[in-house]
Amino acid sequence: DTEVTQTPKHLVMGMTNKKSLKCEQHMGHRAMYWYKQKAKKPPELMFVYSYEKLSINESVPSRFSPECPNSSLLNLHLHALQPEDSALYLCASSSHPGTSYEQYFGPGTRLTVT
Amino acid sequence: ILNVEQSPQSLHVQEGDSTNFTCSFPSSNFYALHWYRWETAKSPEALFVMTLNGDEKKKGRISATLNTKEGYSYLYIKGSQPEDSATYLCAAQGGGADGLTFGKGTHLIIQP
Repeated sequence: DTEVTQTPKHLVMGMTNKKSLKCEQHMGHRAMYWYKQKAKKPPELMFVYSYEKLSINESVPSRFSPECPNSSLLNLHLHALQPEDSALYLCASSSHPGTSYEQYFGPGTRLTVT
Repeated sequence: ILNVEQSPQSLHVQEGDSTNFTCSFPSSNFYALHWYRWETAKSPEALFVMTLNGDEKKKGRISATLNTKEGYSYLYIKGSQPEDSATYLCAAQGGGADGLTFGKGTHLIIQP
């Protein structure tokens, strides 16, 4: 199974809502990533988890809160988002942190903040 | 933060023709160069990861080369087919870094 799954596929939320994005992989990968892609821009790295510990936070606002409860699961908790946070949120995993192994991506969650 | 550039931005190619496009990246602090193929509504699919100067990798009709000294990589598609239509992304990985810095991609359309 070389699949990374993400739920939900689409999410519409108001600026006062709290919601969560979920990402799951069963490949035994120990590095997991969140990327954000806005229209006509490349994906941008947000967070990296290595061995279930947050290793990189690319100066992401605190209204985005990542969580890695176990080696298969990665969540992104959202609270008090702004309309400019509307984007495609991609999750990825790779077998070993800090190596050049390929990253496997999920299909993304399309988020709209109203 | 690495600056990764891809050209051209979009490309129309006749079915059966061969094509290539470019990715440029900073040659200092280089660790790896990744190529991805991304079809609409699907997950980005890894094509190649290259680390060594002069490296050349091939998967079917698609191949890629890497020049780390001058900071560029080429992706080649031989005998383009309609199913090759996609956005091709390259991403650079700097030394000691875990995440990828992506270029904006080359949007390839194969015309029958």
